[in-house]
Amino acid sequence: GAVVSQHPSRVICKSGTSVKIECRSLDFQATTMFWYRQFPKKSLMLMATSNEGSKATYEQGVEKDKFLINHASLTLSTLTVTSAHPEDSSFYICSARDGLRGTDTQYFGPGTRLTVL
Amino acid sequence: TQLLEQSPQFLSIQEGENLTVYCNSSSVFSSLQWYRQEPGEGPVLLVTVVTGGEVKKLKRLTFQFGDARKDSSLHITAAQTGDTGLYLCAGAGVWDFGNEKLTFGTGTRLTIIP
Repeated sequence: GAVVSQHPSRVICKSGTSVKIECRSLDFQATTMFWYRQFPKKSLMLMATSNEGSKATYEQGVEKDKFLINHASLTLSTLTVTSAHPEDSSFYICSARDGLRGTDTQYFGPGTRLTVL
Repeated sequence: TQLLEQSPQFLSIQEGENLTVYCNSSSVFSSLQWYRQEPGEGPVLLVTVVTGGEVKKLKRLTFQFGDARKDSSLHITAAQTGDTGLYLCAGAGVWDFGNEKLTFGTGTRLTIIP
């Protein structure tokens, strides 16, 4: 159990376009989802925390107007990178917390590799 | 801002050898987790330690949480090539209790040579 999926797994886009990444909890209800960014050979950096039905909380230095997060249901959160630029190229990973189990455990998705040309 | 420093950053050893990875911070954490990440994939949870001084074993992997809940170690006995990967520690701060925000360590890239 506790499977999290991401779509797409890889995306290549032109500079200036917007890209939407989906994160789904497949077998549990995720009251909270998290979005991370990982540069090559680096660790994960938390971008934002998303609670179902409310606005996301962004970490310091993360532009909320550039990285739009929507958590409209208990099983789906989306991250939209608006007007993407080459410096936005990165590995984006989501995680989800099972609210019903009441634990702090986060279940991670497989990641989305974004390349902006 | 909580910082978690892992050491060593890179480690390359022969199959069959033992190794220890350290995760240190000046902050106190309510719990600490260890993950392993393969290239192009998300992190996979190995263990969660909650109590100061706690020791958990997962086959050849032994995890310890420091008494003060500021540091942790991962010891691998008789390393195998399948242990190769990026090992990440992640701490949930006591001030984040209820928010379950994780701060990830700097990572240790382990390579086991056959």
